Amino acid sequence: EPEVTQTPSHQVTQMGQEVILRCVPISNHLYFYWYRQILGQKVEFLVSFYNNEISEKSEIFDDQFSVERPDGSNFTLKIRSTKLEDSAMYFCASSERWAVTKETQYFGPGTRLLVL
Amino acid sequence: KQEVTQIPAALSVPEGENLVLNCSFTDSAIYNLQWFRQDPGKGLTSLLLIQSSQREQTSGRLNASLDKSSGRSTLYIAASQPGDSATYLCAAVNYGGSQGNLIFGKGTKLSVKP
Repeated sequence: EPEVTQTPSHQVTQMGQEVILRCVPISNHLYFYWYRQILGQKVEFLVSFYNNEISEKSEIFDDQFSVERPDGSNFTLKIRSTKLEDSAMYFCASSERWAVTKETQYFGPGTRLLVL
Repeated sequence: KQEVTQIPAALSVPEGENLVLNCSFTDSAIYNLQWFRQDPGKGLTSLLLIQSSQREQTSGRLNASLDKSSGRSTLYIAASQPGDSATYLCAAVNYGGSQGNLIFGKGTKLSVKP
């Protein structure tokens, strides 16, 4: 069964460093998402992406964050200058169509980011 | 602003018991409501999706209901098994220009004892 994959599974970085989290969505999916989950907290929406542009972003997704689909298969989340509070599990998700009505989103296993 | 709440935060039951997990939401203008399962350190697995026009969905031992007027959804698990132990999350997708972002509850951590 097709699945969303994410790399790396764990990333440790120093505060102020740039990190890039990578995702390979399911191949025929057109809509892509990033969520994050701080330890012990709710899963929070960051950004949705369609047709090579951001569809929607949350208040969390400030200028330090960016997303890109550099080729036909990868979808990346970049954090320019990491802060301690960016430590979280980051989930990528994809859906075949706009994820409303009856369309579910398929989630990857996550990247656990630890900022020291 | 949509708020999704799940009660209880944790639940421990003996194997074989039927159980109900609760989810409430403050804004009834939703496209759909989904239930996910999250295993420790793992991603989210979609269990059931109920469209706003539906009242329930079933998959195997799982049955999810939706009552938009009261802002509630329940996930019923029949004949629970130790393998059902996980955190169960509900999430709503709202109207209002949203491109499908999911608004999650904090989850119910279920432990099924053999």
